[in-house]
Amino acid sequence: GAGVSQSPSNKVTEKGKDVELRCDPISGHTALYWYRQSLGQGLEFLIYFQGNSAPDKSGLPSDRFSAERTGGSVSTLTIQRTQQEDSAVYLCASSSYSGEQFFGPGTRLTVL
Amino acid sequence: AQSVTQPDIHITVSEGASLELRCNYSYGATPYLFWYVQSPGQGLQLLLKYFSGDTLVQGIKGFEAEFKRSQSSFNLRKPSVHWSDAAEYFCAVGGVEYGNKLVFGAGTILRVKS
Repeated sequence: GAGVSQSPSNKVTEKGKDVELRCDPISGHTALYWYRQSLGQGLEFLIYFQGNSAPDKSGLPSDRFSAERTGGSVSTLTIQRTQQEDSAVYLCASSSYSGEQFFGPGTRLTVL
Repeated sequence: AQSVTQPDIHITVSEGASLELRCNYSYGATPYLFWYVQSPGQGLQLLLKYFSGDTLVQGIKGFEAEFKRSQSSFNLRKPSVHWSDAAEYFCAVGGVEYGNKLVFGAGTILRVKS
């Protein structure tokens, strides 16, 4: 595809359930980032993958959050035992060596 | 630690008027600077970026920004605003020293009066 895609676009879940959010980066981009956008916290970095290196997980807010990137392409962000404060828009971005990040449309997560 | 300040939460300008959105940053190394725009319900679109070189950078949609190291600023400008420019604008800083992860400002919501 031409850009970064994310699925689902919207996800409503009940407190305590697990959710998986998917990101398909631009083909050939070596770096992939997850950010979270919420009313109270603005745009926050969550996790970063670069090639085969160990991911930078320094932005993950708790151990309920995890992410993986399979085959250097698709990434899945998993949130276990969701809480209401997890409600936010989760944005994925990818970049090549230029450092310019291209963002997907986001997944809006609502935890009831 | 890196940080970005956008002092104006909301700005209203008349269509056809000039625009300047302010951005100040704190960064411990050579910064990469970005401006992104977000329309309601949409993702972030890159308007322009500064990596090095000429401190006045041109972007899409007629926007430009000037990097002023002495003031730690990267203000966004447009000489004549169009109604379609109404959106939220985010300034961001990043760099290879920090894995290129971006630190964003809180955003400025632009409203355009006709």
